[in-house]
Amino acid sequence: GAVVSQHPSWVICKSGTSVKIECRSLDFQATTMFWYRQFPKQSLMLMATSNEGSKATYEQGVEKDKFLINHASLTLSTLTVTSAHPEDSSFYICSASPTGAEQYFGPGTRLTVT
Amino acid sequence: KNEVEQSPQNLTAQEGEFITINCSYSVGISALHWLQQHPGGGIVSLFMLSSGKKKHGRLIATINIQEKHSSLHITASHPRDSAVYICAAAIKAAGNKLTFGGGTRVLVKP
Repeated sequence: GAVVSQHPSWVICKSGTSVKIECRSLDFQATTMFWYRQFPKQSLMLMATSNEGSKATYEQGVEKDKFLINHASLTLSTLTVTSAHPEDSSFYICSASPTGAEQYFGPGTRLTVT
Repeated sequence: KNEVEQSPQNLTAQEGEFITINCSYSVGISALHWLQQHPGGGIVSLFMLSSGKKKHGRLIATINIQEKHSSLHITASHPRDSAVYICAAAIKAAGNKLTFGGGTRVLVKP
């Protein structure tokens, strides 16, 4: 149980375009979903927390207009990187929580912006 | 000083050896996670625990709430256990947001 999927697992896009990453909880309803970013050889950094039906709460330094998060249902959250730049290239990981306490991690999405 | 500290940073073992990774934290937590990240980047949730001990296959995780310390043990290690192991503490004062340790890079040689 407690499986979280992400799609796509990797994506390459051109600078200036937008890319959407999906995070799904497959066998439970996630009241809260978290989005993390990981740069090479660094630890995960929380970008934002989203609750179903509410606006996401972004961490300090994360541009909410650049990283659009939608948590429209209890099993799906999406992260859209708008007007992507090479410095946005990173590994994006989501986690989902049925209660807000425990978190179950997705496998991650590797984004490369050329 | 980080709120969550892991040791060692790197560990090399021979196949079959017993491996221990340590995680210490300095604040009140609601749970502690152990994650595994393979070279390709994918993250696997290994354990989430708030007390005592959990076992899954050759992996054992323990936590001592009073001492603010958790350990991840790998018994009979195998080359496929080579990965980065990360502990992450759900910080009560931060609404259970996770604070991550720096990771332990494990290499198991055949």
